[in-house]
Amino acid sequence: DTGVSQNPRHKITKRGQNVTFRCDPISEHNRLYWYRQTLGQGPEFLTYFQNEAQLEKSRLLSDRFSAERPKGSFSTLEIQRTEQGDSAMYLCASSSPGGGSYNEQFFGPGTRLTVL
Amino acid sequence: QQQVKQSPQSLIVQKGGISIINCAYENTAFDYFPWYQQFPGKGPALLIAIRPDVSEKKEGRFTISFNKSAKQFSLHIMDSQPGDSATYFCAASIINNLFFGTGTRLTVIP
Repeated sequence: DTGVSQNPRHKITKRGQNVTFRCDPISEHNRLYWYRQTLGQGPEFLTYFQNEAQLEKSRLLSDRFSAERPKGSFSTLEIQRTEQGDSAMYLCASSSPGGGSYNEQFFGPGTRLTVL
Repeated sequence: QQQVKQSPQSLIVQKGGISIINCAYENTAFDYFPWYQQFPGKGPALLIAIRPDVSEKKEGRFTISFNKSAKQFSLHIMDSQPGDSATYFCAASIINNLFFGTGTRLTVIP
């Protein structure tokens, strides 16, 4: 299966600790997205990369959050000084270049973060 | 502010019945309307999608009805099966931004 993969699948941390998640997109996809999903809600957009360039960031992405995609392949999302409100599922998606204004986004299984 | 409003929050349907989920939006700049299906512990998976210049799209048992003037769209699942039990999200897109509804948890009773 060459879908989007995310690691770890689950992360439990104490408040104040830093955490880092990894996303490996589908290999030929040059666009990568991060979303956050809380219980009972739909995914909320956090940020978007085209190749290694971070082109857009949501207001949800506070200064404690940073995302990178150093070689235009995998991406990492780091949360510094975690707070209980950061507890959520963090989803990664990727899409391929193409014509038109929208490309189908393929989602990974997510990383569930619990901040104690 | 919720860009896409979705209802109902939960839905219980008998096997073989029709499941209907409704969504509404305000921003007329949205240019693509996908529906995603999500099973517990999994990421959302694209089910079916429509562009605003089309009023209906059907794929197998799944149909999207789109009313541009009312800014509403809906998902119909015909002959619902227990395997369809999942959470369904409507979404709307501007360029590469996807705005999701709050989801509908569908339970199909055998």
